[in-house]
Amino acid sequence: DAKTTQPNSMESNEEEPVHLPCNHSTISGTDYIHWYRQLPSQGPEYVIHGLTSNVNNRMASLAIAEDRKSSTLILHRATLRDAAVYYCILRDSGNTGKLIFGQGTTLQVKP
Amino acid sequence: NAGVTQTPKFRVLKTGQSMTLLCAQDMNHEYMYWYRQDPGMGLRLIHYSVGEGTTAKGEVPDGYNVSRLKKQNFLLGLESAAPSQTSVYFCASRWVQYTGELFFGEGSRLTVL
Repeated sequence: DAKTTQPNSMESNEEEPVHLPCNHSTISGTDYIHWYRQLPSQGPEYVIHGLTSNVNNRMASLAIAEDRKSSTLILHRATLRDAAVYYCILRDSGNTGKLIFGQGTTLQVKP
Repeated sequence: NAGVTQTPKFRVLKTGQSMTLLCAQDMNHEYMYWYRQDPGMGLRLIHYSVGEGTTAKGEVPDGYNVSRLKKQNFLLGLESAAPSQTSVYFCASRWVQYTGELFFGEGSRLTVL
């Protein structure tokens, strides 16, 4: 399974945009890029995923580099409720669908 | 619609005891997964199932057994609990058609003394 590299922690101010980076230099052509987040004492929660093109949903945007070796999760206006651990995960398109989690980035949001 | 439900939510065991964690989903999902999460760490895949009657090993399967006798239930068993199995256990499920989303339960906190 291909690996991802994320910063251990980041800080943001409330109401400002947040850009969470992820490096995945060994990504293969069929690997989807997934982002999940985990709020304190809860199970992980799906945020967004993409393959090649940038993606937007109600929670966030995903910007994928042209060579797909990196991506960035963008929270457009951070709120205190966005404080969580954010996981960037590669998932191959095979049938198992398993996700291999790394350490993630702990996002702190300051009022 | 309950989603993914895990029972029990908390359990304390003594070394050598056995127990079973139950994961139940009401979304008719084909695929189900068991993960464990140790303090300050990401989730690690223990076992998974791609359909009723099938199971497969994940990253850290030793010391655990699983069964998927019914589509909606995925059981995780510890035959002889060890302190190293103290962890928070998460179950997840998804449809067979590819979508991005795994649905997770709220977790089961297990302490082995």
